[in-house]
Order: sequence, then C-alpha cells, then structure tokens
Amino acid sequence: QVQLQESGPGLVKPSQTLSLTCTVSGGSISSGSYYWSWIRQPAGKGLEWIGRIYTSGSTNYNPSLKSRVTISVDTSKNQFSLNLSSVTAADTAVYYCARDNEEAGLDYWGQGTLVTVSS
Amino acid sequence: QSVLTQPPSASGTPGQRVTISCSGSSSNIGSNYVYWHQQLPGTAPKLLIYRNNQRPSGVPDRFSGSKFGTSASLAISGLRSEDEADYYCAVWDNSLSGVVFGGGTKLTVL
Repeated sequence: QVQLQESGPGLVKPSQTLSLTCTVSGGSISSGSYYWSWIRQPAGKGLEWIGRIYTSGSTNYNPSLKSRVTISVDTSKNQFSLNLSSVTAADTAVYYCARDNEEAGLDYWGQGTLVTVSS
Repeated sequence: QSVLTQPPSASGTPGQRVTISCSGSSSNIGSNYVYWHQQLPGTAPKLLIYRNNQRPSGVPDRFSGSKFGTSASLAISGLRSEDEADYYCAVWDNSLSGVVFGGGTKLTVL
C-alpha cells in the first residue's frame, strides 16, 4: 500500500520560500508510470493544483503559480519536493502531495500539512 | 473562479439519490477523463471515481459517474449520513496544460 507523508516548516515569513518534502513509502517513486503532484487548499476553500513531476524530471505547473514554483524529485530518498518562492499570506493553506496515476488520476494522497505565511 | 463549475451545495435525506454536476469546456471535460474526489471533514481528499465512471476498489457501487459532452455528474444512491462531505471534480485541461478542480460541492445529509 503506497503512503505519502508531507513534511516541512509550518510557518514561513512573507517574501521567503516555502519548502516541503513528500516521502513515499510502500513502493519505489521511480517505478511505474506515475507523476508526483502537489495540491493545496486554503482554509474553507477548494482544491488548487500546484504542479507535478515525472520521475524523468519533466514537470507541469499551474500557470498562475509557474513563475514561483519548482518541483523536484530525489529518487535515492524516494522523495519529491516543492519550493514556492516569494510567499504572501495568500499562500497560507494545507498542502497535499499525491500520486498521479496515468489510469486512475490522483489515487493516493498524503494527510496534508498546514503552512502559514506570517511574520 | 474555477474552470470547472459545481453547485456549492447539495442535500438529500437518507436513502435518497442525489446528483452533483460539473460543467466545463471542450479543452477539459470535452476531451479528457473526469475524476471525482470525496473529502470528509478534516481529512485529505480520496479518489472516488476515475476515468468518468470507474470505481476504485473499496468504493461502494452507490457511487457512480457519468460524462456527456462538456459536463459530468456524480450520482450517489441510497444516501447515508457518512456521505456528508465535500465532493470535487477534476480533469486535465489541454489549454492550461494542468489539472483543474471544480470549486467543490458540500453535500449535506438531512
């Protein structure tokens, strides 16, 4: 059973870079035809797709965030990461990592981690 | 404002059948598969329907999905109290080259 777990600082100052890591267990991140994705959800609001990475390193990003987002993968650690630069209070949200299965879509999700942007 | 349009709320009584709609365009629903996710209060979303109408293992057959043109629907029959949750449609958008979500529908079981 694949499991994903987000980790990283829960508090980030405005203008700084938000950095999160997702650790995948129960399977190799580099096996199969999977993308590895980040999604966020501000309190009381809907889901927003941030972007995804294939194990080859190819990426897709939400156009509205593209200038500030970098997603990378470390196959040796079975992890992938999110960097979001120049954050503001509008970036405060629960951040989820998820596996994007070519057939089944976003089929496994992490439990989510709350990141607050505040000085 | 979401690229995919869902009603913000829906409701029904136990045992009833309810449907939740998701409206898009030719660049998303009209040309790609639709997925549905259920988010119970305080938890992460869970895949409910994939490829328009397929259920992952463990999802009851009370849940069904359909797609016609640039719209999709999620139907829940035999409504139960534990179905009270937020429901989101999701689809790949060819114009944006990314995944788009509907705004979500809060289902209340009266």
